Amino acid sequence: DQQVKQNSPSLSVQEGRISILNCDYTNSMFDYFLWYKKYPAEGPTFLISISSIKDKNEDGRFTVFLNKSAKHLSLHIVPSQPGDSAVYFCAASAAGYSSASKIIFGSGTRLSIRP
Amino acid sequence: DTAVSQTPKYLVTQMGNDKSIKCEQNLGHDTMYWYKQDSKKFLKIMFSYNNKELIINETVPNRFSPKSPDKAHLNLHINSLELGDSAVYFCASSQTTMTSTDTQYFGPGTRLTVL
Repeated sequence: DQQVKQNSPSLSVQEGRISILNCDYTNSMFDYFLWYKKYPAEGPTFLISISSIKDKNEDGRFTVFLNKSAKHLSLHIVPSQPGDSAVYFCAASAAGYSSASKIIFGSGTRLSIRP
Repeated sequence: DTAVSQTPKYLVTQMGNDKSIKCEQNLGHDTMYWYKQDSKKFLKIMFSYNNKELIINETVPNRFSPKSPDKAHLNLHINSLELGDSAVYFCASSQTTMTSTDTQYFGPGTRLTVL
């Protein structure tokens, strides 16, 4: 039962162009969404997040869009740079755990930025 | 000055053995987690401890036993290792704010291979 789905296992984008990574979720109780970035042989690192009360959050070159009615979020990276080549995990969590946040991860999308 | 560290980074062992993975965080966080990344690349939560107390315990075989001697450490002991235990195990920590918005910081992972 995959509550968070990343249907594109890989994506290749030319340097300087926009990278768009997509994510769908099924659980309407999710109220917080995150993107993590992972390089080989390293742990995931937090990139950007968005609360369900917003539909957009921007941080430099990274923007996350949330469409609650469609249960869809996307990560936009513009302009894409070689250092952005990594695996990107979409994740979601729901309030209700009193002393720990349970994050549900997608399976990741491998982004490759080509020169 | 690594924030979340795990040892060992690689672990190769025979089926039936007992092994432990150690995790330490120096971020002053009060919550720690263990995740398993399986062959399909999904990151799934296994356990979470808050101030040494077990908070989240997903459907994990009894052969897996987490131990938290203090809030900066969360070790994972695995008894009678099986082939299906082969995976990358990630430790993470967060500072709980009683909401679902706690950002989790991950260790570099331990790749366990059971032969």
